Amino acid sequence: NAGVTQTPKFRILKIGQSMTLQCTQDMNHNYMYWYRQDPGMGLKLIYYSVGAGITDKGEVPNGYNVSRSTTEDFPLRLELAAPSQTSVYFCASNTGNGPQHFGDGTRLSIL
Amino acid sequence: AQTVTQSQPEMSVQEAETVTLSCTYDTSESNYYLFWYKQPPSRQMILVIRQEAYKQQNATENRFSVNFQKAAKSFSLKISDSQLGDTAMYFCAFMNTVRGAQKLVFGQGTRLTINP
Repeated sequence: NAGVTQTPKFRILKIGQSMTLQCTQDMNHNYMYWYRQDPGMGLKLIYYSVGAGITDKGEVPNGYNVSRSTTEDFPLRLELAAPSQTSVYFCASNTGNGPQHFGDGTRLSIL
Repeated sequence: AQTVTQSQPEMSVQEAETVTLSCTYDTSESNYYLFWYKQPPSRQMILVIRQEAYKQQNATENRFSVNFQKAAKSFSLKISDSQLGDTAMYFCAFMNTVRGAQKLVFGQGTRLTINP
């Protein structure tokens, strides 16, 4: 099993560009999450999903969109990238009361 | 809203020593979970230990143990016989559940360095 896979690992964007961060898991987990980690800080929840077709906002959702069309995939979309969105993005998944499994993160710089 | 505070930005100890990392949190809920995560330079998020608020007994995982004081809203991590591989950022996290999903709130982290 690959676990939680995030692509790309690194990306540089220009202000105003858009992109999609991909996240896929092969553990058949119902619950999936997107976090951002700013330098020297802890993770903050952006969006989460309790199953295919169901998503909800976390602590810092502004500037992002998500969709969950399948159990495996939970892409995060940035529209009109801004310097404040420079961060490391983590995707995670879990089932029931189990611990969250994290991907390796995507480092995103917006210049 | 819940908040999690780690008051020690950095700590440094010698190998084999014992070190305690502090964490306090604020919540009005009575049922919740608390976690310590380790993030080495590789950037992985690794679960170290977890504590259910309804359990009075402190959780232990090998060299890692917690001191959970529910009334004081305090949740410290003790690492015994520290090893070079323990060098990492450590994050305390509070969790409550919404529709079964785990909503984690993280502290700012403590950078721990184990010196040879």
